[in-house]
Amino acid sequence: DGGITQSPKYLFRKEGQNVTLSCEQNLNHDAMYWYRQDPGQGLRLIYYSQIVNDFQKGDIAEGYSVSREKKESFPLTVTSAQKNPTAFYLCATRQGGGPQHFGDGTRLSIL
Amino acid sequence: SQQGEEDPQALSIQEGENATMNCSYKTSINNLQWYRQNSGRGLVHLILIRSNEREKHSGRLRVTLDTSKKSSSLLITASRAADTASYFCATGWNSGNTPLVFGKGTRLSVIA
Repeated sequence: DGGITQSPKYLFRKEGQNVTLSCEQNLNHDAMYWYRQDPGQGLRLIYYSQIVNDFQKGDIAEGYSVSREKKESFPLTVTSAQKNPTAFYLCATRQGGGPQHFGDGTRLSIL
Repeated sequence: SQQGEEDPQALSIQEGENATMNCSYKTSINNLQWYRQNSGRGLVHLILIRSNEREKHSGRLRVTLDTSKKSSSLLITASRAADTASYFCATGWNSGNTPLVFGKGTRLSVIA
């Protein structure tokens, strides 16, 4: 989706390192979401934010942190506490109860 | 928590045939949505059906919803090789921006 930019496309994490995944949107959507997808699996919700300066934990928030200081941006930090971070991470936005719009994901691997 | 469960997990058909995927869910919903994901890409929204609707069409897509059975189906008619992707159903329990709950998906392969 051209309105949501996730970067980088590929990311490698060393042992004990924190890494941050970027998600930027120009759709002016209030809500933003982070999902994790493991091979052959569905999407699991990590964190979401329905408004600036507010966010809630999803089903698998442990080892992750987020911030929502601007409407356009919702970065996700994968901390060293997340022992199995290898996955495909998807950011999404939503407005007015409509469909979710997704970025093209970041693939995170461990070095 | 994953509420939607798609069936089958994988489906392989010949080009020109119809593909039917099913989704079952557990609790009351406000709407049900279907998404498509090409390999290594994000999800793309296909169609949304509200709880007071029974059937909806969009091009070669037909979606049905049976709230009494808590199930939905997605039919793709006259399939093409380009329809090869994973398809996910997602349920929303209200009309706001609370997160959708996604199933594990059906992997569709259309053989030319």
